[in-house]
Amino acid sequence: NAGVTQTPKFQVLKTGQSMTLQCAQDMNHNSMYWYRQDPGMGLRLIYYSASEGTTDKGEVPNGYNVSRLNKREFSLRLESAAPSQTSVYFCASREEGWISPLHFGNGTRLTVT
Amino acid sequence: AQKITQTQPGMFVQEKEAVTLDCTYDTSDQSYGLFWYKQPSSGEMIFLIYQGSYDEQNATEGRYSLNFQKARKSANLVISASQLGDSAMYFCAMREGVGSGTYKYIFGTGTRLKVLA
Repeated sequence: NAGVTQTPKFQVLKTGQSMTLQCAQDMNHNSMYWYRQDPGMGLRLIYYSASEGTTDKGEVPNGYNVSRLNKREFSLRLESAAPSQTSVYFCASREEGWISPLHFGNGTRLTVT
Repeated sequence: AQKITQTQPGMFVQEKEAVTLDCTYDTSDQSYGLFWYKQPSSGEMIFLIYQGSYDEQNATEGRYSLNFQKARKSANLVISASQLGDSAMYFCAMREGVGSGTYKYIFGTGTRLKVLA
């Protein structure tokens, strides 16, 4: 029972490089989310997807793009990485229901030098 | 705009004692949900407990309970009989509706709890 799987676990990029963070869930959830966590700032929503084929901006979308490839997968792309994007990135999903919690992946620690 | 506030950046508690972690929220929605998550030093996010805005009883899950005071817009987490393994960062979160059955979740800045032996 894998839940939400994120790859890679760690990544170091140089300024200007691009990369894609992968996220997949095996719980048949419609809704998926990308957050970033920075010290003292909690988790901030980057993008979310209510269902396959739809994506919406969250609180801090600048510098990121997302793709909801299918119901299972929701990827986050940094086209031109900047040091300000150094952070821990979490993917999450939720099942349908009035009150249901987010299920998180284990995170990707990204450093941009 | 919806907002979650956690005013305690860090707290200490003696092992076996109870501790309350504060969370206040701001929303204009009538229907909302409040959640608490634990993040140990290993980094994963662990769901602990939730409370729906229409629930009259405070939620409980083992040693965790949620002290929900709707009029004061507070949703404090109470941990009874603290254990060393409770040392972690704790986040309060609120579900925010954005229409058509779609929801976002906003998080507070967290409280770091240290349990002392």
